[in-house]
Amino acid sequence: DADVTQTPRNRITKTGKRIMLECSQTKGHDRMYWYRQDPGLGLRLIYYSFDVKDINKGEISDGYSVSRQAQAKFSLSLESAIPNQTALYFCATSDSGRNTGELFFGEGSRLTVL
Amino acid sequence: GEDVEQSLFLSVREGDSSVINCTYTDSSSTYLYWYKQEPGAGLQLLTYIFSNMDMKQDQRLTVLLNKKDKHLSLRIADTQTGDSAIYFCAEIPPSGAGSYQLTFGKGTKLSVIP
Repeated sequence: DADVTQTPRNRITKTGKRIMLECSQTKGHDRMYWYRQDPGLGLRLIYYSFDVKDINKGEISDGYSVSRQAQAKFSLSLESAIPNQTALYFCATSDSGRNTGELFFGEGSRLTVL
Repeated sequence: GEDVEQSLFLSVREGDSSVINCTYTDSSSTYLYWYKQEPGAGLQLLTYIFSNMDMKQDQRLTVLLNKKDKHLSLRIADTQTGDSAIYFCAEIPPSGAGSYQLTFGKGTKLSVIP
């Protein structure tokens, strides 16, 4: 089983719909992140969380919100999806006790907004 | 702005060496990373180098760091078809220090020709 699990893996939706992408981890890590990947643009950080009560905006947070329901769960919401939010979304975790900064990624959730 | 620069494509023949180059933004970055993304998968850490090192070797992989020129390279010896993937260079810039917010390059797609 994957240590960082994202659901759904693929989603097609229409403009204006509310979408939630979920992430759960069994690594016991305290830090969790949401990135989006666009062809030719690399990965950009949307939000990150250091623990259950900590939420921080990343580089491109507009149009997104997050919830850290438990240490193991971090969900990303698009309140009203728009076509330019079509992308591959990745959840990642890291352990603050390891000072290498290594991130562990889920397999990605591909979102298409029509 | 903060940009980590990489060329987008590299094509090599099986058995040859591959060299993927990256320029990063800040010489005070403590760790520099190479992540690998295979088709349809998330990113996985391939190797990393601490900023007080000039070189790191791990089996077929050699990482070279030139802090003066802010240049990082990844050499893959005896490149195999299984090495076909997108390779991301990443750093933790000073603005991300303590939070381990990695800044990723746009990724170099390595294609290995049999």
